[in-house]
Amino acid sequence: DGGITQSPKYLFRKEGQNVTLSCEQNLNHDAMYWYRQDPGQGLRLIYYSQIVNDFQKGDIAEGYSVSREKKESFPLTVTSAQKNPTAFYLCASSTFPATGTGTYEQYFGPGTRLTVT
Amino acid sequence: AQSVAQPEDQVNVAEGNPLTVKCTYSVSGNPYLFWYVQYPNRGLQFLLKYITGDNLVKGSYGFEAEFNKSQTSFHLKKPSALVSDSALYFCAVRLTGFQKLVFGTGTRLLVSP
Repeated sequence: DGGITQSPKYLFRKEGQNVTLSCEQNLNHDAMYWYRQDPGQGLRLIYYSQIVNDFQKGDIAEGYSVSREKKESFPLTVTSAQKNPTAFYLCASSTFPATGTGTYEQYFGPGTRLTVT
Repeated sequence: AQSVAQPEDQVNVAEGNPLTVKCTYSVSGNPYLFWYVQYPNRGLQFLLKYITGDNLVKGSYGFEAEFNKSQTSFHLKKPSALVSDSALYFCAVRLTGFQKLVFGTGTRLLVSP
């Protein structure tokens, strides 16, 4: 799982509560990503950030929010507006060369399994 | 639309036999292709990538993948499977314009002793 940490590993919340998932990386990567994984659906991109103080919505951003105040950190908040928040959440990072070259393989953290009841 | 497909939900193989996990892609321009492996309740681990050059790419843990432009495929292979190779495998393609990856739905590999 490289130099990316996610905490906690398991998280339980009551419906209607906001919850924040932590993601920290020490790989000096510029870009960071949040994915959601559900059985049989692969990975779906929630948000991504290319540089500090900038982020973009992915394919399923509704009900989620992020911040990128530091290069090393990209926390994800699952809000009460997310209709089906129970899932496995994965954070990833990659390089983002200004020249546009590079292969951009992403490195993943160990994941956080969120259960909302 | 740019996409990647993994046509098999599960692949079963006996230990010591060769294995193939299939992946086909649809992108505009030249594709950047990746394979990742996921063990239960863990994050994804990078296995290998194709960017340009030789069509046969070698990666971690004895895996390799063959890029076939005419068939738009990037199948993952290993000459001799191990029980410890049992895991979930994802193929991914990079979209042009950014590093955004699009993942397939995954193929579960089960290697029996």
